[in-house]
Amino acid sequence: TQLLEQSPQFLSIQEGENLTVYCNSSSVFSSLQWYRQEPGEGPVLLVTVVTGGEVKKLKRLTFQFGDARKDSSLHITAAQPGDTGLYLCAGGRAGGTSYGKLTFGQGTILTVHP
Amino acid sequence: KAGVTQTPRYLIKTRGQQVTLSCSPISGHRSVSWYQQTPGQGLQFLFEYFSETQRNKGNFPGRFSGRQFSNSRSEMNVSTLELGDSALYLCASSSGGATDTQYFGPGTRLTVL
Repeated sequence: TQLLEQSPQFLSIQEGENLTVYCNSSSVFSSLQWYRQEPGEGPVLLVTVVTGGEVKKLKRLTFQFGDARKDSSLHITAAQPGDTGLYLCAGGRAGGTSYGKLTFGQGTILTVHP
Repeated sequence: KAGVTQTPRYLIKTRGQQVTLSCSPISGHRSVSWYQQTPGQGLQFLFEYFSETQRNKGNFPGRFSGRQFSNSRSEMNVSTLELGDSALYLCASSSGGATDTQYFGPGTRLTVL
Protein backbone atom coordinates (compact mmCIF):
# COMPACT_ATOMS: atom_id res chain seq x y z
CA THR A 1 0.00 0.00 0.00
CA GLN A 2 1.37 3.36 -1.02
CA LEU A 3 0.67 5.64 1.92
CA LEU A 4 1.47 9.31 2.22
CA GLU A 5 1.78 10.57 5.77
CA GLN A 6 1.13 14.27 5.99
CA SER A 7 1.92 16.37 9.06
CA PRO A 8 0.86 18.28 10.95
CA GLN A 9 -2.85 17.61 10.61
CA PHE A 10 -3.77 21.02 12.06
CA LEU A 11 -1.81 24.26 12.14
CA SER A 12 -3.01 27.50 13.72
CA ILE A 13 -0.63 30.42 13.47
CA GLN A 14 -0.52 34.21 13.51
CA GLU A 15 -0.12 36.34 10.42
CA GLY A 16 3.54 36.80 9.54
CA GLU A 17 4.76 33.47 10.93
CA ASN A 18 6.49 30.82 8.84
CA LEU A 19 5.36 27.21 8.60
CA THR A 20 6.29 23.91 7.01
CA VAL A 21 4.06 21.00 6.06
CA TYR A 22 5.59 17.56 5.52
CA CYS A 23 4.57 14.67 3.33
CA ASN A 24 6.39 11.36 3.82
CA SER A 25 6.17 7.88 2.36
CA SER A 26 8.09 4.63 2.36
CA SER A 27 7.35 4.32 -1.37
CA VAL A 28 8.86 6.13 -4.30
CA PHE A 29 6.60 8.41 -6.27
CA SER A 30 7.18 9.53 -9.83
CA SER A 31 5.50 12.85 -9.18
CA LEU A 32 4.25 14.78 -6.20
CA GLN A 33 1.53 17.36 -6.41
CA TRP A 34 0.42 19.90 -3.83
CA TYR A 35 -3.12 21.23 -3.80
CA ARG A 36 -5.05 23.74 -1.74
CA GLN A 37 -8.75 23.21 -1.14
CA GLU A 38 -11.45 25.52 0.15
CA PRO A 39 -14.54 24.09 1.89
CA GLY A 40 -17.02 22.62 -0.58
CA GLU A 41 -14.72 23.16 -3.55
CA GLY A 42 -12.32 21.00 -5.49
CA PRO A 43 -8.56 20.99 -4.86
CA VAL A 44 -6.65 23.66 -6.76
CA LEU A 45 -3.19 22.74 -7.99
CA LEU A 46 -0.28 24.64 -6.48
CA VAL A 47 2.69 22.78 -7.94
CA THR A 48 3.90 19.51 -9.44
CA VAL A 49 7.42 18.23 -8.71
CA VAL A 50 8.89 15.29 -10.55
CA THR A 51 12.67 15.33 -10.06
CA GLY A 52 14.38 14.18 -6.87
CA GLY A 53 15.84 17.18 -5.04
CA GLU A 54 13.71 19.60 -7.02
CA VAL A 55 12.80 22.91 -5.40
CA LYS A 56 10.06 25.14 -6.75
CA LYS A 57 8.98 28.54 -5.52
CA LEU A 58 5.60 30.15 -5.92
CA LYS A 59 5.72 33.62 -4.36
CA ARG A 60 5.89 32.94 -0.60
CA LEU A 61 5.52 29.16 -1.04
CA THR A 62 8.52 26.87 -1.45
CA PHE A 63 8.10 23.22 -2.42
CA GLN A 64 10.75 20.55 -2.21
CA PHE A 65 10.82 16.97 -3.46
CA GLY A 66 13.18 14.68 -1.57
CA ASP A 67 16.23 13.24 -3.28
CA ALA A 68 14.78 9.73 -3.10
CA ARG A 69 11.33 10.95 -4.22
CA LYS A 70 9.72 9.57 -1.08
CA ASP A 71 9.04 12.84 0.71
CA SER A 72 8.13 16.43 0.08
CA SER A 73 7.65 19.64 2.00
CA LEU A 74 5.75 22.87 1.62
CA HIS A 75 7.14 25.95 3.33
CA ILE A 76 5.17 29.18 3.61
CA THR A 77 6.98 32.37 4.51
CA ALA A 78 5.17 35.21 6.29
CA ALA A 79 1.77 33.51 6.23
CA GLN A 80 -1.28 35.64 5.52
CA PRO A 81 -4.98 35.05 6.38
CA GLY A 82 -5.57 34.36 2.69
CA ASP A 83 -3.37 31.26 3.02
CA THR A 84 -6.01 29.64 5.24
CA GLY A 85 -7.26 26.35 3.80
CA LEU A 86 -6.71 22.62 3.47
CA TYR A 87 -3.36 21.67 1.96
CA LEU A 88 -3.05 18.27 0.32
CA CYS A 89 -0.09 16.39 -1.04
CA ALA A 90 -0.69 13.70 -3.63
CA GLY A 91 1.70 11.21 -5.18
CA GLY A 92 1.53 9.65 -8.60
CA ARG A 93 3.35 6.62 -9.93
CA ALA A 94 4.20 5.35 -13.37
CA GLY A 95 3.14 1.88 -14.35
CA GLY A 96 0.04 0.26 -15.71
CA THR A 97 -1.83 -0.24 -12.43
CA SER A 98 -1.19 3.34 -11.37
CA TYR A 99 -2.71 5.18 -14.27
CA GLY A 100 -4.86 8.09 -13.21
CA LYS A 101 -4.47 7.30 -9.52
CA LEU A 102 -3.17 9.84 -7.05
CA THR A 103 -2.50 8.76 -3.49
CA PHE A 104 -3.38 11.57 -1.12
CA GLY A 105 -2.09 12.53 2.29
CA GLN A 106 -4.61 13.18 5.04
CA GLY A 107 -4.30 16.93 4.59
CA THR A 108 -3.22 19.86 6.74
CA ILE A 109 -5.82 22.37 7.86
CA LEU A 110 -4.05 25.71 8.10
CA THR A 111 -5.60 28.67 9.88
CA VAL A 112 -3.80 32.00 9.79
CA HIS A 113 -5.12 34.55 12.28
CA PRO A 114 -4.88 38.29 11.53
CA LYS B 1 -9.20 27.34 -21.48
CA ALA B 2 -12.22 26.24 -19.47
CA GLY B 3 -11.58 24.12 -16.41
CA VAL B 4 -13.12 20.85 -15.33
CA THR B 5 -16.86 21.10 -14.81
CA GLN B 6 -19.09 18.84 -12.77
CA THR B 7 -22.85 18.61 -12.61
CA PRO B 8 -24.85 18.76 -10.51
CA ARG B 9 -23.06 20.60 -7.72
CA TYR B 10 -25.43 19.36 -5.04
CA LEU B 11 -27.62 16.30 -4.82
CA ILE B 12 -29.88 14.87 -2.14
CA LYS B 13 -31.04 11.27 -2.44
CA THR B 14 -32.57 8.65 -0.17
CA ARG B 15 -31.22 5.23 0.65
CA GLY B 16 -31.73 2.67 -2.08
CA GLN B 17 -31.89 5.17 -4.91
CA GLN B 18 -29.29 5.49 -7.62
CA VAL B 19 -27.47 8.59 -8.83
CA THR B 20 -25.48 9.66 -11.88
CA LEU B 21 -22.83 12.36 -11.74
CA SER B 22 -21.27 14.04 -14.75
CA CYS B 23 -17.81 15.41 -15.44
CA SER B 24 -16.53 17.37 -18.44
CA PRO B 25 -12.73 17.46 -18.64
CA ILE B 26 -10.46 20.24 -19.82
CA SER B 27 -10.50 20.44 -23.59
CA GLY B 28 -7.91 18.06 -25.02
CA HIS B 29 -7.63 15.93 -21.91
CA ARG B 30 -8.45 12.28 -22.48
CA SER B 31 -8.15 10.97 -18.94
CA VAL B 32 -10.77 11.39 -16.23
CA SER B 33 -10.26 10.15 -12.68
CA TRP B 34 -12.91 10.04 -9.97
CA TYR B 35 -12.37 10.42 -6.23
CA GLN B 36 -14.54 10.27 -3.14
CA GLN B 37 -13.76 12.69 -0.33
CA THR B 38 -15.08 12.21 3.20
CA PRO B 39 -13.96 13.75 6.50
CA GLY B 40 -12.91 10.37 7.86
CA GLN B 41 -11.20 8.81 4.86
CA GLY B 42 -9.96 11.83 2.94
CA LEU B 43 -9.64 11.52 -0.82
CA GLN B 44 -9.90 8.00 -2.16
CA PHE B 45 -9.49 6.93 -5.76
CA LEU B 46 -12.54 5.38 -7.42
CA PHE B 47 -11.51 4.75 -11.05
CA GLU B 48 -9.92 6.26 -14.12
CA TYR B 49 -11.03 6.31 -17.73
CA PHE B 50 -8.93 7.00 -20.80
CA SER B 51 -10.29 6.95 -24.34
CA GLU B 52 -13.54 5.32 -23.17
CA THR B 53 -11.71 2.48 -21.38
CA GLN B 54 -11.38 1.96 -17.65
CA ARG B 55 -7.65 1.67 -17.01
CA ASN B 56 -7.62 1.59 -13.24
CA LYS B 57 -10.01 0.94 -10.38
CA GLY B 58 -9.86 1.56 -6.65
CA ASN B 59 -11.22 -0.55 -3.82
CA PHE B 60 -14.88 0.35 -3.97
CA PRO B 61 -17.86 -2.02 -4.25
CA GLY B 62 -19.44 -2.78 -7.60
CA ARG B 63 -22.26 -0.33 -6.83
CA PHE B 64 -19.84 2.33 -8.03
CA SER B 65 -19.42 2.35 -11.78
CA GLY B 66 -18.49 4.75 -14.50
CA ARG B 67 -18.12 5.30 -18.19
CA GLN B 68 -16.52 7.69 -20.60
CA PHE B 69 -17.86 8.96 -23.88
CA SER B 70 -16.06 9.64 -27.15
CA ASN B 71 -15.82 13.36 -26.30
CA SER B 72 -14.01 12.40 -23.05
CA ARG B 73 -16.92 13.42 -20.84
CA SER B 74 -17.41 10.95 -18.04
CA GLU B 75 -20.21 9.83 -15.78
CA MET B 76 -20.16 7.88 -12.59
CA ASN B 77 -23.12 5.98 -11.22
CA VAL B 78 -23.82 4.80 -7.72
CA SER B 79 -26.63 2.28 -7.33
CA THR B 80 -28.49 1.29 -4.18
CA LEU B 81 -27.27 4.28 -2.24
CA GLU B 82 -26.22 3.89 1.38
CA LEU B 83 -25.88 6.54 4.07
CA GLY B 84 -22.11 6.10 3.94
CA ASP B 85 -22.05 7.20 0.32
CA SER B 86 -22.60 10.79 1.41
CA ALA B 87 -19.48 12.58 0.28
CA LEU B 88 -17.93 15.10 -2.06
CA TYR B 89 -17.30 13.39 -5.38
CA LEU B 90 -14.48 14.90 -7.37
CA CYS B 91 -13.35 14.31 -10.88
CA ALA B 92 -9.99 15.28 -12.28
CA SER B 93 -8.72 15.42 -15.84
CA SER B 94 -5.27 15.05 -17.30
CA SER B 95 -3.54 14.29 -20.57
CA GLY B 96 -3.37 10.66 -19.57
CA GLY B 97 0.30 10.10 -18.91
CA ALA B 98 1.08 8.15 -15.79
CA THR B 99 2.48 11.15 -13.94
CA ASP B 100 0.64 13.98 -15.66
CA THR B 101 -0.82 16.65 -13.43
CA GLN B 102 -4.47 16.19 -12.56
CA TYR B 103 -6.79 19.18 -12.52
CA PHE B 104 -9.88 18.93 -10.36
CA GLY B 105 -13.44 20.06 -10.82
CA PRO B 106 -15.50 21.75 -8.10
CA GLY B 107 -17.09 18.48 -7.04
CA THR B 108 -20.60 17.18 -6.50
CA ARG B 109 -21.82 17.14 -2.91
CA LEU B 110 -24.01 14.04 -2.49
CA THR B 111 -26.15 13.69 0.61
CA VAL B 112 -27.93 10.39 1.23
CA LEU B 113 -30.83 10.52 3.68
